Amino acid sequence: DVQMTQSPSSVSASVGDRVTITCRASQGIGNWLAWYQQKPGKAPKLLIYTASSLQTGVPSRFRGSGSGTDFTLTISSLQPEDFATYYCQQANSFPYTFGQGTKLEIK
Amino acid sequence: QVQLQESGPGLVRPTETLSLTCTVSGGSLSDHYWGWIRQPPGKGLEWIGYIYYNGSPNYNRSLKSRATISVDTSKNRFSLELTSVTAADTAVYYCARERGSGWSFDYWGQGTLVTVSS
Repeated sequence: DVQMTQSPSSVSASVGDRVTITCRASQGIGNWLAWYQQKPGKAPKLLIYTASSLQTGVPSRFRGSGSGTDFTLTISSLQPEDFATYYCQQANSFPYTFGQGTKLEIK
Repeated sequence: QVQLQESGPGLVRPTETLSLTCTVSGGSLSDHYWGWIRQPPGKGLEWIGYIYYNGSPNYNRSLKSRATISVDTSKNRFSLELTSVTAADTAVYYCARERGSGWSFDYWGQGTLVTVSS
């Protein structure tokens, strides 16, 4: 199975900050990577698919990049509603696997 | 607007079968894959499997053939059965739609907590 490792596991930041979350795959996955945002008690919400494509309705402050084994999610200017847990997911091979999550907290 | 809603028992006894249904409204099952993902309390996400609207499922082999996903296009719903459950199967179970390209999930149900306990 492809192992997905996110870093950091948690990060504290302030409104207006720029934040970058990294996701590394244990083997090359092309650009078959998605990013999700999850708030407590809610289902995940798709932000980015195929590594850098912005899902409809998602603000442009969210940007995904990378290919192969190394990927990043950047939030350019944090808003209060962005504090949540973020997951990456690979879809290059079965079984699809998720990273362990990165919790973004208010500083 | 596509909406998904999980339904099924919230409590299942060990060794029994967990059965959940996901009813889709606001759209048809056609031309999409439909999946199940679970999340143990306080933990991360695990992909269980998915099925195309006309069949052809794929499963996470970590479930050791305990999972079966089926689809009922006449009722616009799909289902999950997980046999021989243990406490390790306690989780929030989500159903979701694969977006049609990119192999990611764009619509999700609200999730249903299933507890395995005697």
